[in-house]
Amino acid sequence: TQLLEQSPQFLSIQEGENLTVYCNSSSVFSSLQWYRQEPGEGPVLLVTVVTGGEVKKLKRLTFQFGDARKDSSLHITAAQPGDTGLYLCAGAYNQGGKLIFGQGTELSVKP
Amino acid sequence: KAGVTQTPRYLIKTRGQQVTLSCSPISGHRSVSWYQQTPGQGLQFLFEYFSETQRNKGNFPGRFSGRQFSNSRSEMNVSTLELGDSALYLCASSPSGPSYEQYFGPGTRLTVT
Repeated sequence: TQLLEQSPQFLSIQEGENLTVYCNSSSVFSSLQWYRQEPGEGPVLLVTVVTGGEVKKLKRLTFQFGDARKDSSLHITAAQPGDTGLYLCAGAYNQGGKLIFGQGTELSVKP
Repeated sequence: KAGVTQTPRYLIKTRGQQVTLSCSPISGHRSVSWYQQTPGQGLQFLFEYFSETQRNKGNFPGRFSGRQFSNSRSEMNVSTLELGDSALYLCASSPSGPSYEQYFGPGTRLTVT
């Protein structure tokens, strides 16, 4: 069974704090993606990481792919209320457009 | 480019009925995938179509089916609806390439009563 465990499931922090979301699996992925979803809308792609050990930055968001391509993390620096939403990691295998999603992290940033 | 569009956005059906949902992918994208999202199970993969052929399938009963047309537009059908089918159904299109990045539509909210 292909599983992605995402933690924490819920996170409530104050504006200005830092946070890290983790995504772990026993399987090796060809790529891993992070999405952000707002209520009533579809997920929006934030980043794709492909190479083991890869680090990508998107403004205050830093994404890292584990060396073995089994895990990933999302770090947000100085969180803002606009960062509030559901963050999802998704792993892709070499079998076409099938993504395995983690359960998601519901982030709430209070002003 | 226009994004992925899904119709209808909201739907209310009764147990036992059937429903058809529609998805128009981003122009040039040949892969279309469908996902079911519920609070308890999260996002679960239903199936993927590429060039009118089902390329991948998730672990859903045969009541869930889909198809893709020559213009890459896709439909999914659910027959004999059950209360547990109430969910947000998301369609995603993907360009060719090894990273399998997916671009999601806004979803169809299906409520079964």
